[in-house]
Amino acid sequence: SSELTQDPAVSVALGQTVRITCQGDSLRTYYTTWYQQKPGQAPVLVFYGRNNRPSGIPDRFSGSSSGNTASLTITGAQAEDEADYFCNSRDSSGIHLVFGGGTKLTVL
Amino acid sequence: QVQLQESGPGLVKPSETLSLTCTVSGGSMSTYYWSWIRQSPGKGLEWIGYIFYSGTTNYNPSLKSRVTISVDTSRNQFSLKLTSVTAADTAVYYCARLMGSSSGGDFDYWGQGTLVTVSS
Repeated sequence: SSELTQDPAVSVALGQTVRITCQGDSLRTYYTTWYQQKPGQAPVLVFYGRNNRPSGIPDRFSGSSSGNTASLTITGAQAEDEADYFCNSRDSSGIHLVFGGGTKLTVL
Repeated sequence: QVQLQESGPGLVKPSETLSLTCTVSGGSMSTYYWSWIRQSPGKGLEWIGYIFYSGTTNYNPSLKSRVTISVDTSRNQFSLKLTSVTAADTAVYYCARLMGSSSGGDFDYWGQGTLVTVSS
């Protein structure tokens, strides 16, 4: 099992706000990075660091962290946001990288 | 625009060595980390390891005994070797650039991925 825990599935109504979470002890110390992956495609970086969104990523995607939990919030979810979302950070040693198990987001 | 492209055999026999190469175009390999990540069919992402352009490596502890990542900046390539493969190593293998700008794994460019099947 991963050192980063994500809910397997989350759903949101079109246009509503959804929060996808990632839990792990290492998140008290290290930043969390978030990826979106659609079927048959490579993952895409959507949020990283303290408060960074890559060029081309809509500003409805935002990240936050509190204690051992990091969150990716989508404000006003769109149909095209339906995808798998993975978090990534350091493991408990702080040396190696680790991914969460992923959350499948369904937009209703 | 940086592009990454994986290449290598799509079928490897059990107990043999999986070898993949990632070719980087559209940018220099300098100052970045270069990584391999895999995804078993229908499963999540697994970080395999990364190499700095100068050659320093960092591997997933669960794979460390079987993994070697190397870099050839003159050819703008880096490579993965995974020894003694089993069916559990069947996966889509991605190469990716790690920015290293934050303490998380910020992979900003990815290859399209290549499916490697381990089967006799």
